Amino acid sequence: NAGVTQTPKFRVLKTGQSMTLLCAQDMNHEYMYWYRQDPGMGLRLIHYSVGEGTTAKGEVPDGYNVSRLKKQNFLLGLESAAPSQTSVYFCASSHRTGNYEQYFGPGTRLTVT
Amino acid sequence: AQKITQTQPGMFVQEKEAVTLDCTYDTSDQSYGLFWYKQPSSGEMIFLIYQGSYDEQNATEGRYSLNFQKARKSANLVISASQLGDSAMYFCAMREPNYGQNFVFGPGTRLSVLP
Repeated sequence: NAGVTQTPKFRVLKTGQSMTLLCAQDMNHEYMYWYRQDPGMGLRLIHYSVGEGTTAKGEVPDGYNVSRLKKQNFLLGLESAAPSQTSVYFCASSHRTGNYEQYFGPGTRLTVT
Repeated sequence: AQKITQTQPGMFVQEKEAVTLDCTYDTSDQSYGLFWYKQPSSGEMIFLIYQGSYDEQNATEGRYSLNFQKARKSANLVISASQLGDSAMYFCAMREPNYGQNFVFGPGTRLSVLP
């Protein structure tokens, strides 16, 4: 099993450009999450999904959109990138029962110039 | 107000010694979950241990134990017999079911294990 994978691993964007980050999991998890991690701070939740076709806002959703068309995939979109969105982005997934332990992907390092 | 506070930005411990990483949390819910994650320099997030708010006993996982003091709203991580490979960032996190699947992470503590 690959667990949680993220594509791409690195990306540099110019201000105003758009891009989509792809997260895939093969553990049949119901819940999926997108976080950002900035220096000196812990992870902050951007959006999450409790099932196919449903998404919800987290702590810092502005400037991002998400979609969950298939259970195994969770996409994070930046429509018009800004330098403030320079960060490391982590995707995670968990079951909807038990302790909700999250399994994380390796992260995507995004730089917006 | 910060929901998760980790007051130790950095900690040093001698190899084979025990170390305690502090975490305090703020919630008005009765039902919640507390987690500790490790992030080595390679960047991945590794789950270490979980404590539910209704669990009467402190959680343990190998060399990791969670000192849960509900009345004080603290969930300190204790690492026994530190190893060089324990050098990493450690994050405390909380899940509040009444806020959907909202997870809140603390700012982290950087642990350095000295040989």
